[in-house]
Amino acid sequence: EPEVTQTPSHQVTQMGQEVILRCVPISNHLYFYWYRQILGQKVEFLVSFYNNEISEKSEIFDDQFSVERPDGSNFTLKIRSTKLEDSAMYFCASSVGGETQYFGPGTRLLVL
Amino acid sequence: AQRVTQPEKLLSVFKGAPVELKCNYSYSGSPELFWYVQYSRQRLQLLLRHISRESIKGFTADLNKGETSFHLKKPFAQEEDSAMYYCALTSGGSNYKLTFGKGTLLTVNP
Repeated sequence: EPEVTQTPSHQVTQMGQEVILRCVPISNHLYFYWYRQILGQKVEFLVSFYNNEISEKSEIFDDQFSVERPDGSNFTLKIRSTKLEDSAMYFCASSVGGETQYFGPGTRLLVL
Repeated sequence: AQRVTQPEKLLSVFKGAPVELKCNYSYSGSPELFWYVQYSRQRLQLLLRHISRESIKGFTADLNKGETSFHLKKPFAQEEDSAMYYCALTSGGSNYKLTFGKGTLLTVNP
């Protein structure tokens, strides 16, 4: 069964550094999402992406964040200048339409 | 604004006992409700959604619009049901972002 994959599984970075989190959605899916979960808190929506553009973003998704689908398979989340409070588990998800979203295993980001 | 509340952070039951995980929501329109489950060391996966009205792994959930609830129930819990359960909603239409509750950690004891 096809699955969403994410790399890396863990990333440690210094405050102020740029990070790129990578996701490979399920191949026939059209909608892509990023969520994050700070330790002990709820899973929060960051951004959704459809037809090569952002369809919705949350207040969290400020100018420090960007998403890209550089080719037909990858979907990336870039954080330009990381802050301590960006430490979280980042989940990618994809869906055909509005039904089931399929989640990746997550990337645990630690900002020191 | 849409909101999902799961009042129980932890729920512990014995094998064979009934289990109910509570979920309440606030949204002025007609949301779509989901239950996602995360087993230990595994990814979030959809358990069920109210539109499909299915029973998955013995779990059911009924949308009660009057009480704005979508509680998850199973008559006889199994040890393999131990997991983190998240209630979530989307506002429907073309807006697919999921709003999650904080989750309930269910432990089924032998």
